[in-house]
Amino acid sequence: AQKITQTQPGMFVQEKEAVTLDCTYDTSDPSYGLFWYKQPSSGEMIFLIYQGSYDQQNATEGRYSLNFQKARKSANLVISASQLGDSAMYFCAMREGTGGTASKLTFGTGTRLQVTL
Amino acid sequence: NAGVMQNPRHLVRRRGQEARLRCSPMKGHSHVYWYRQLPEEGLKFMVYLQKENIIDESGMPKERFSAEFPKEGPSILRIQQVVRGDSAAYFCASSLSTQNNSPLHFGNGTRLTVT
Repeated sequence: AQKITQTQPGMFVQEKEAVTLDCTYDTSDPSYGLFWYKQPSSGEMIFLIYQGSYDQQNATEGRYSLNFQKARKSANLVISASQLGDSAMYFCAMREGTGGTASKLTFGTGTRLQVTL
Repeated sequence: NAGVMQNPRHLVRRRGQEARLRCSPMKGHSHVYWYRQLPEEGLKFMVYLQKENIIDESGMPKERFSAEFPKEGPSILRIQQVVRGDSAAYFCASSLSTQNNSPLHFGNGTRLTVT
């Protein structure tokens, strides 16, 4: 079973509008972290935002916020006031457990976001 | 504080040659991860190392691939006798700790092309 599922291969949004990128996850571990990364066409991976499984509030970082619904096992990324520079691939990822072999990040397949004028 | 440094940025090898990819983690980070990304796909975990130790190599192909993270110097991902299917972007990442709230910081990747 996929640990991270991103069901939107591509999304379009108009400049200045908000957009939600979906992410669902699968784990039986009570302790986990959820991350979003941005990969622009230049190829680098940029860390955007983190949500811990025990966090009571949704994470926010500037124009990025994470809509964390634990019971539904979803961690959707919301980008407000989209800018042309937001056009990129966006990856959701999860880190389970604490340390050791559970230390790695598992990635979804990504969503390509295109911001239009 | 310099980020994760990978070199070379691009690497071209002929089939059968060896490829060596280097990664220097962020200062103070002792946890290093290697990932592979095929075109239009997500990142696939390969190996996780701490200084001088391989902790998790569950994503490494059984043959031709090896990784090390010596006490001194960068981490090396080595691919022997490369084949066309090895063409991909290889990303290195480092983290400060293995706690869930410690993000992985990625380098810019090495794009390997096998001709």
